[in-house]
Amino acid sequence: GNSVTQMEGPVTLSEEAFLTINCTYTATGYPSLFWYVQYPGEGLQLLLKATKADDKGSNKGFEATYRKETTSFHLEKGSVQVSDSAVYFCALSGRSGGYNKLIFGAGTRLAVHP
Amino acid sequence: GAGVSQSPSNKVTEKGKDVELRCDPISGHTALYWYRQSLGQGLEFLIYFQGNSAPDKSGLPSDRFSAERTGGSVSTLTIQRTQQEDSAVYLCASSSDSGNTIYFGEGSWLTVV
Repeated sequence: GNSVTQMEGPVTLSEEAFLTINCTYTATGYPSLFWYVQYPGEGLQLLLKATKADDKGSNKGFEATYRKETTSFHLEKGSVQVSDSAVYFCALSGRSGGYNKLIFGAGTRLAVHP
Repeated sequence: GAGVSQSPSNKVTEKGKDVELRCDPISGHTALYWYRQSLGQGLEFLIYFQGNSAPDKSGLPSDRFSAERTGGSVSTLTIQRTQQEDSAVYLCASSSDSGNTIYFGEGSWLTVV
């Protein structure tokens, strides 16, 4: 079945450091890929998405490229801020039983220090 | 409404009691999902509704869990005879029929004592 694996956290960085959170997936067909973010005390928010191979999703300085050859969708940001501290979830949406069902990774907690 | 609305935002209940959690999806969204997020865990799919089709209940962890969706809009997740392991954040999400972006509510935090 479909699955998502992302790097374990927590990831601790200093402000302005480069961020990579790895995400790989297993899926049949051609899933769409997502990154969701959960800030402390808040609900899940869609951060970015990509719907086909080689697409790059981007938002708020974050980027992720849909790599079908490596089945990956790694999240990157060139210079993190304290306000980026949150839990990041990688997810895929594939047709399952006739509808788009989101499958999530376990989440990666990011802590950014001044 | 503008987003997915859930209530209550927090609920503390005694073990063995029944609880109901409500979700009001984004207006016009025909697909509705329930997920569960336990402390330190990822998101666990519970149930999916799409229009008038039979729901996908494959993620419900036991027969103490049930959900309904009335009139294709508001949904209620019911947990009977709650147990401590039911303590979690219950997240509702919705999407349009043709789109594949799923939008989440802020969740209902359930604590069973």
